[in-house]
Order: sequence, then C-alpha cells, then structure tokens
Amino acid sequence: DAMVIQNPRYQVTQFGKPVTLSCSQTLNHNVMYWYQQKSSQAPKLLFHYYDKDFNNEADTPDNFQSRRPNTSFCFLDIRSPGLGDAAMYLCATSREQKETQYFGPGTRLLVL
Amino acid sequence: AQSVTQLDSQVPVFEEAPVELRCNYSSSVSVYLFWYVQYPNQGLQLLLKYLSGSTLVESINGFEAEFNKSQTSFHLRKPSVHISDTAEYFCAVNPQGGSEKLVFGKGTKLTVNP
Repeated sequence: DAMVIQNPRYQVTQFGKPVTLSCSQTLNHNVMYWYQQKSSQAPKLLFHYYDKDFNNEADTPDNFQSRRPNTSFCFLDIRSPGLGDAAMYLCATSREQKETQYFGPGTRLLVL
Repeated sequence: AQSVTQLDSQVPVFEEAPVELRCNYSSSVSVYLFWYVQYPNQGLQLLLKYLSGSTLVESINGFEAEFNKSQTSFHLRKPSVHISDTAEYFCAVNPQGGSEKLVFGKGTKLTVNP
C-alpha cells in the first residue's frame, strides 16, 4: 500500500561526489515536491514539479537539481555534496497545487 | 506571506495525561491547515487537516484540532496520551489562493513519559 516511496532510506556519500535520491508515487498525483530537513528543523522546500513544469525556490542552491522523467518518478541530484548538505530529504506529492501533501519516509543523507 | 508559530518546542507529559500543542498562524488570505507527525528517522505523516466545514477535526488515533479563525489558531489536543505518541508534531498552513506554498512551523517535540 506504499504511496510515496523513497530510495534509498539511508545514503552515505563522500564530499564532492554526486549523489541521486529517488522518489516514486503510486497516487498518480500531478505535483511532486522535494524538501530538505535538517536536525530539529522544519522541512524546507527546495523545488517542485507540476506535471513537467519545474519550479525552483529562490533560495535553493544551484548544487541541487531535479528530474521528473514521468508522472511516477522524481529524482533529486546533488552535484557536489558538502558537509552542510547532510540532512533528511523528503519527497511529497499532491493531486493539485494547494491540495494535501503526502510524504514519503525520507532519505537520510550522510556526507563524509 | 504566511507564517506559523509553534510556541512550544518541547512538551513533556506523563502517560494518560491530556496534552495541547499550540499553533498560531498569520495570513492575509484564507488558509488550509494541517498537522503532521514525524516519528524518529521517518517522513511526515498527515495527522489531520482542516479544509472547510466543521471547525473541529479529528484523527483516527484520538487527536483533534479546532480551527479558530478569530484567534488564528489550530491547536492540537489529545485527552489521554500514550507512550507511542512520542514524536515531533508540525503545524502547517497552505494559502487557498496565490502562489505561496505550504509553510511549516518549527515543530513541537512531544515526549510521553511512563
């Protein structure tokens, strides 16, 4: 019954080594979001896709990119991870913008 | 712009005691309101939401929240907590119009002690 799936749940990467996080959904929702959540903080929106339209938040670093090859999948690419990028990365979906967002279990990224 | 204030960063309570987690928001437009719960090392789970209609909304595990428009509040309550309710709780608002996105409060860590 998993609706929003994130792989892997834990990811370890080296400083500067590109890494890709994956999100898939079985809800057929139009909108997919990526959030970054650091310890004891609220989730921070990085960007979202409405269908194939990409919407970047103004303060999202260029180091973060995203791809959505089809309705079901969305990827977060971190081109050159720094120590400060260690965080929980949350994927969420909603049927339409402004509607309820449903979150995946998250991927915890560790940068060595 | 919207903002959400969760005044209590940590709330410790004993098992079977009642609890209230406070949430106030500021917005120039009507909003949808949400409470999410996050267990350690997990994603956010939707606990309950107010979209329209009755101002009192309930979850399946005994939590309830009441939308108070005049006080711009959406406090979360449970009459008797369990140890399994230990988690972080996030209040969030989403404006009903415009381009602004879901805005989260900073979270309240609820710890239920035996």
